[in-house]
Amino acid sequence: EDQVTQSPEALRLQEGESSSLNCSYTVSGLRGLFWYRQDPGKGPEFLFTLYSAGEEKEKERLKATLTKKESFLHITAPKPEDSATYLCAVRGGGATNKLIFGTGTLLAVQP
Amino acid sequence: NAGVTQTPKFQVLKTGQSMTLQCAQDMNHEYMSWYRQDPGMGLRLIHYSVGAGITDQGEVPNGYNVSRSTTEDFPLRLLSAAPSQTSVYFCASTPTGGGYTFGSGTRLTVV
Repeated sequence: EDQVTQSPEALRLQEGESSSLNCSYTVSGLRGLFWYRQDPGKGPEFLFTLYSAGEEKEKERLKATLTKKESFLHITAPKPEDSATYLCAVRGGGATNKLIFGTGTLLAVQP
Repeated sequence: NAGVTQTPKFQVLKTGQSMTLQCAQDMNHEYMSWYRQDPGMGLRLIHYSVGAGITDQGEVPNGYNVSRSTTEDFPLRLLSAAPSQTSVYFCASTPTGGGYTFGSGTRLTVV
């Protein structure tokens, strides 16, 4: 059964304090690992898609990396506006576009 | 280009009432899906559609019906609301193999 586990559940950082969020997954035939950002009261917002081990993608202070078992979302010198819940999801070999989501990491960046 | 539009944003139902959550997208995406989001459980797939006239069940389909008569619209029907259906509901669409675009959500309370 496809499964996604995110850690930690919550993370509090000081502004400028870099860190990483983890997404471990088990899936039969990975056809994409997705990172989303979700602000309170809003829908998830797409950040990145990674398809194969070794792939990396960057956007501003965020960098996502992928191995065969997990993905990391690295946050470099975060700012308070980076505070949000970060969701990880995988698309496996089943239904064409079905995504399985983790429960997310709640990130709080204090000034 | 509005993306994915969900209505209503908030709804309170009494146990046993029925209602339809509306979802429309203007991106000509073939794939659409409905998720519910509950604290500590992440996003769980209710129903999905790979194109007009084609729907299938996700992880938690009981108590919900869907139909897809057009590419644009994918309504979710609650047949007889129960307190366990209190949740935040998100509709999403995607082109084949791409990242999801989510709506802003419907917060439903069943009393």
